[in-house]
Amino acid sequence: SQELEQSPQSLIVQEGKNLTINCTSSKTLYGLYWYKQKYGEGLIFLMMLQKGGEEKSHEKITAKLDEKKQQSSLHITASQPSHAGIYLCGADDEAQKLVFGQGTRLTINP
Amino acid sequence: KAGVTQTPRYLIKTRGQQVTLSCSPISGHRSVSWYQQTPGQGLQFLFEYFSETQRNKGNFPGRFSGRQFSNSRSEMNVSTLELGDSALYLCASSDSGRKETQYFGPGTRLLVL
Repeated sequence: SQELEQSPQSLIVQEGKNLTINCTSSKTLYGLYWYKQKYGEGLIFLMMLQKGGEEKSHEKITAKLDEKKQQSSLHITASQPSHAGIYLCGADDEAQKLVFGQGTRLTINP
Repeated sequence: KAGVTQTPRYLIKTRGQQVTLSCSPISGHRSVSWYQQTPGQGLQFLFEYFSETQRNKGNFPGRFSGRQFSNSRSEMNVSTLELGDSALYLCASSDSGRKETQYFGPGTRLLVL
């Protein structure tokens, strides 16, 4: 079955700094989703990447998909307190069921 | 438009009991998916309903069941609760079932004692 591994599991950065979260799949990626979750709440869809080399941005968040490495990265530029939360990557397995990484907990220190 | 609502928000049950959780999707959305989130297993897909039919199912025991009504509202039921069923249960609705169009509810936090 497909597994997604995220790194790091947790991240503490100073406000204004850049950061990167990685998501690596055990199998070929046909589509990769990024979500943000505030602790104990529902998920907010950030973006979807479908093609190798694809790059998308939403405000100060940029995500890329490296099909060959079966990996996606999420980059936040000039982090702000509003970026704090848990970031999860998700992907469809062969049966079109959504599988998730274990999440990366991001803390922004003022 | 009102967002996805889940009731109740918090629930405490004891082992062996059963529980029913409710999810009201965004108006016009016909797809409802359910997910379980625990510290140990993370976020896992339970099942998806579309126009009252179960369209997909995750790897959970038969104690977990669901249904969808004609107004698209969905319920999930867990029978014979176990301690490991303590989790945040999330539902998400979309018009087509496509993941990128899903909107998530705030979740129901279930504690099994």
